[in-house]
Amino acid sequence: GNSVTQMEGPVTLSEEAFLTINCTYTATGYPSLFWYVQYPGEGLQLLLKATKADDKGSNKGFEATYRKETTSFHLEKGSVQVSDSAVYFCALSGAGTALIFGKGTTLSVSS
Amino acid sequence: GAVVSQHPSWVICKSGTSVKIECRSLDFQATTMFWYRQFPKQSLMLMATSNEGSKATYEQGVEKDKFLINHASLTLSTLTVTSAHPEDSSFYICSARGRGQGLTTYSNQPQHFGDGTRLSIL
Repeated sequence: GNSVTQMEGPVTLSEEAFLTINCTYTATGYPSLFWYVQYPGEGLQLLLKATKADDKGSNKGFEATYRKETTSFHLEKGSVQVSDSAVYFCALSGAGTALIFGKGTTLSVSS
Repeated sequence: GAVVSQHPSWVICKSGTSVKIECRSLDFQATTMFWYRQFPKQSLMLMATSNEGSKATYEQGVEKDKFLINHASLTLSTLTVTSAHPEDSSFYICSARGRGQGLTTYSNQPQHFGDGTRLSIL
């Protein structure tokens, strides 16, 4: 079945550091891929998405590219801020199906 | 943007009580709603999928009689945790997806999430 694997956390960075959170997936067909962010005590917010191979999703300085050849959708940001501290979830959705989430990666950014 | 309202945001109740959680799509018609459960520091686990006007489809291992889902209209779905016990304590999150328009396919419609309900059973 469909599944998502993302790197274990927590990830601890200093402000302005470069961020990469790895995400790989297993799916039949051509899923859509997503990154969601969850701030402490809150629900999920869609960060970015890509619906087909080689698409790049981007938002708030974050970006991720849908790589079908490596079945990956790694999240990157060139310069993180303290306000980026949160839990990040990689997810996929097949045709008409619910989102399947990875386990989440906690990011802590210190000033 | 699309808004999903979930209520209540936090509930504490005694063991044996039934608790109802509401999920409303405020500015779009939600043809499908999803209910997830999240344990501390873990991922979201899909519990069930409900389409308006039909019975919910539960994931393997989720008790249908324990977690009653009703999707009576295109803007409201409810999850009732019946006879709740401490092991039911968790963070429950709903999401809603609308129908596409024109050439937009159903499968590409995004899921919009509520802010979640923290349920604590004493």
